[in-house]
Amino acid sequence: DIQMTQSPSTLSASVGARVTITCRASQSINTYLAWYQQKPGKAPKLLIYKASTLETGVPSRFSGSGSGTEFTLSISSLQPDDFATYYCQQYYSHWTFGQGTKLEIK
Amino acid sequence: QVQLVESGGGVVQPGKSLRLSCAASGFTFSNYGMHWVRQAPGKGLEWVAVVWYDGNNKHYADSVRGRFTISRDNSKNMVSLQMSSLRPEDTAVYYCAKDIADCTSGACYAHLDYWGQGIQVTVSS
Repeated sequence: DIQMTQSPSTLSASVGARVTITCRASQSINTYLAWYQQKPGKAPKLLIYKASTLETGVPSRFSGSGSGTEFTLSISSLQPDDFATYYCQQYYSHWTFGQGTKLEIK
Repeated sequence: QVQLVESGGGVVQPGKSLRLSCAASGFTFSNYGMHWVRQAPGKGLEWVAVVWYDGNNKHYADSVRGRFTISRDNSKNMVSLQMSSLRPEDTAVYYCAKDIADCTSGACYAHLDYWGQGIQVTVSS
């Protein structure tokens, strides 16, 4: 089974800051990686798929990169609505989520 | 617009069974794989099961294989999760989700693009 490891687990940042979340796969997954945003009590929302393709309607301040085993999600200028938990997920071999990164207001 | 609505959750004793259903609308249901994903209280997301668009292929997480059965009825736009021999560690919010496949490389790889609102399952005596 492919394991996904996100870092950091918690990230504190201010409105307007740029942040980056890292996701590592235990083996190569090509670019078959998605990022989701989840707010408390809500379903996850797809942000990015194929490592770097922005889902329709997602603001352009979100971006993704990487291939193989190392991936990043960046938010260029944090907005109040962006404080949430973010999950990566590989879909190269079945489906596995990272443990999540909680983005908190500093 | 795509809508996924789960039902059937509740409180159940350990060892008992429960059946979750998910009603889909707003897309051609029979063209897409459907998944169940769960989230234990205060924890992260755990993928549970998938059924292919035609119902002929199914896969399960190791934690539920042999106890849970996923199925679909394309005539009713419904996907179900039959959960048996339930354990306290199965307590979670269960989400159904639709996938979308990328087959440009010759093989198909599917990510989850729409999710239901989730339904609570509590396993407790």
